[in-house]
Amino acid sequence: QVHLQESGPGLVRPSETLSLTCTVSGGSISNYYWSWIRQSPGKGLEWIGYIYYGGSANYNPTLKSRVTISVDASETQFSLQLSSATAADTAIYYCARGVISRGHYFDFWGQGVLVSVSS
Amino acid sequence: QPVLTQPPSVSATPGQKVTIPCSGGSSNIGSNYVSWYQRLPGTAPRLLIYDNNRRPTGIPDRFSGSKSGTSATLDITGLQTGDEADYYCGTWDSSLNSGRVFGGGTKLTVL
Repeated sequence: QVHLQESGPGLVRPSETLSLTCTVSGGSISNYYWSWIRQSPGKGLEWIGYIYYGGSANYNPTLKSRVTISVDASETQFSLQLSSATAADTAIYYCARGVISRGHYFDFWGQGVLVSVSS
Repeated sequence: QPVLTQPPSVSATPGQKVTIPCSGGSSNIGSNYVSWYQRLPGTAPRLLIYDNNRRPTGIPDRFSGSKSGTSATLDITGLQTGDEADYYCGTWDSSLNSGRVFGGGTKLTVL
């Protein structure tokens, strides 16, 4: 069974970079799209972006200028960096495994980590 | 505003059937497959339906999905109190400035 676990600071100062890591266990990182998704208080799910195991990435256009998703050389972790954080970036951040077959969907998710952006 | 439209809440009693709609447009639901996710309180989202109507291993057949035109539907039959959760639809949006999109979520209350 694939397991994903997010980790990173729960508090980020405004204008700083929000950085999170997702550790993948129980399965290969190959052939999937490793994704970040968030949910701000009182709002729905928002896709942030994904990275394919080969290194190509695709980001939500509304966040693209501030987002970088990368895969660790060990290929057991992937990371999210969101620069110039503001209070609007306060959210629960989930990492998820993306599948693109006929459709696009996320079959395994992490538990989520709450990140607050505040001074 | 979410790209896909869902009612904020629905309710039903145990044993009944509930339908959760998801409305979109030609660039998303109209031209791509839909997936559905369940988020129980305090837990990670779980994939319920993918490719419009397919269930992952372990998902009961009480959950079913369908799509017609630019709308999709999640049906839950034989409602149980444990089904009380938030439900989200999702798909890919093929327009120039989009990507993966979700609905705003529907809170299911089992009375």
